[in-house]
Amino acid sequence: EADIYQTPRYLVIGTGKKITLECSQTMGHDKMYWYQQDPGMELHLIHYSYGVNSTEKGDLSSESTVSRIRTEHFPLTLESARPSHTSQYLCASSLKETQYFGPGTRLLVL
Amino acid sequence: RKEVEQDPGPFNVPEGATVAFNCTYSNSASQSFFWYRQDCRKEPKLLMSVYSSGNEDGRFTAQLNRASQYISLLIRDSKLSDSATYLCVVNRGGSYIPTFGRGTSLIVHP
Repeated sequence: EADIYQTPRYLVIGTGKKITLECSQTMGHDKMYWYQQDPGMELHLIHYSYGVNSTEKGDLSSESTVSRIRTEHFPLTLESARPSHTSQYLCASSLKETQYFGPGTRLLVL
Repeated sequence: RKEVEQDPGPFNVPEGATVAFNCTYSNSASQSFFWYRQDCRKEPKLLMSVYSSGNEDGRFTAQLNRASQYISLLIRDSKLSDSATYLCVVNRGGSYIPTFGRGTSLIVHP
């Protein structure tokens, strides 16, 4: 099993709230990723990082931001949640090309 | 045209059947290819990498056709536990950034 964790697993929150989704891995992987996935649809890359202090935007335009202050930690923040942010958010890490995914956070914005 | 295309299915097969999925990709510079498996409401997990010469892992065989830009996955002697969504993943040339297909749904019935 991959040692990558996400919290919370489920979150219901009101519009306008600031939220941070946590992702941590204990495998020492330098590369980390955030994906958004709606039911039955493909994963869309929204952010990635190649190492500490490195962050890049992915393909899907996102109003979220990320930080990478420590190798093992890659949090994602939404400054003002909206109903359109309702989705599943998956964090992943890799050493080379194989990606290891966390269990995901299911977000519902009311 | 999407970068990675898959027939979403579902493929509905009886136990013991052989089933094959194809996936096409548009970027001829792509270097690395994978099949991931995603169970319902779970995170994706690596099933197998796909090598140029083709490779086999038990009942699973993966093939790559660079000229036609497609990869395939063959599952022999299907089990009920093979029911899942199979994601085709292609890494962009020279990077660790993957592109995921939408997935092909497989349902194996008794």
